[in-house]
Amino acid sequence: GENVGLHLPTLSVQEGDNSIINCAYSNSASDYFIWYKQESGKGPQFIIDIRSNMDKRQGQRVTVLLNKTVKHLSLQIAATQPGDSAVYFCAENQGGRRALTFGSGTRLQVQP
Amino acid sequence: DSGVTQTPKHLITATGQRVTLRCSPRSGDLSVYWYQQSLDQGLQFLIQYYNGEERAKGNILERFSAQQFPDLHSELNLSSLELGDSALYFCASSVGQNNNYGYTFGSGTRLTVV
Repeated sequence: GENVGLHLPTLSVQEGDNSIINCAYSNSASDYFIWYKQESGKGPQFIIDIRSNMDKRQGQRVTVLLNKTVKHLSLQIAATQPGDSAVYFCAENQGGRRALTFGSGTRLQVQP
Repeated sequence: DSGVTQTPKHLITATGQRVTLRCSPRSGDLSVYWYQQSLDQGLQFLIQYYNGEERAKGNILERFSAQQFPDLHSELNLSSLELGDSALYFCASSVGQNNNYGYTFGSGTRLTVV
């Protein structure tokens, strides 16, 4: 796939386990954060977002946690499935006229 | 199907050549963003257009240019191509000009410069 050459940290989990993917963001002024999932051969796909006035937001099988004190974002995936295997990117809105800034990504491998 | 359409899906060209990548945003979206995804650099922001006007600029080389047309589709022009320009080029769109609601990405154009 297109991401196979990326030198990414890899998280390998067993099917059915919970996964936690972490991201350190760069700008303390950032006020909006998004997690994207990128499967091989596809563009990034929106998973879940969170604004800086919140510290937790839940979706279907996914939870995003925001710790503004240490500028840390995490994505928790419950009951990980083989279809969750992908590269996951965090993105932050640093405000002003700047576009979303993406982190370097984490590859999630789900072992059956 | 995300609603953002990029063509072509694949492009192979020689060094020194010029190519044009095309993007049609999701219906109703006024902003178009271009990102480059290289093997070792993740997603790098190139440029944003909102309703036909340049809105923000990232790490876009002078050899690269873009525009957004009245029908809101956008084109990214890459000239004097070098081997290092080989990458995936993604277009994304959003409703507004700010970045408060995330983007919808297309499936990308894979450019190979030989």
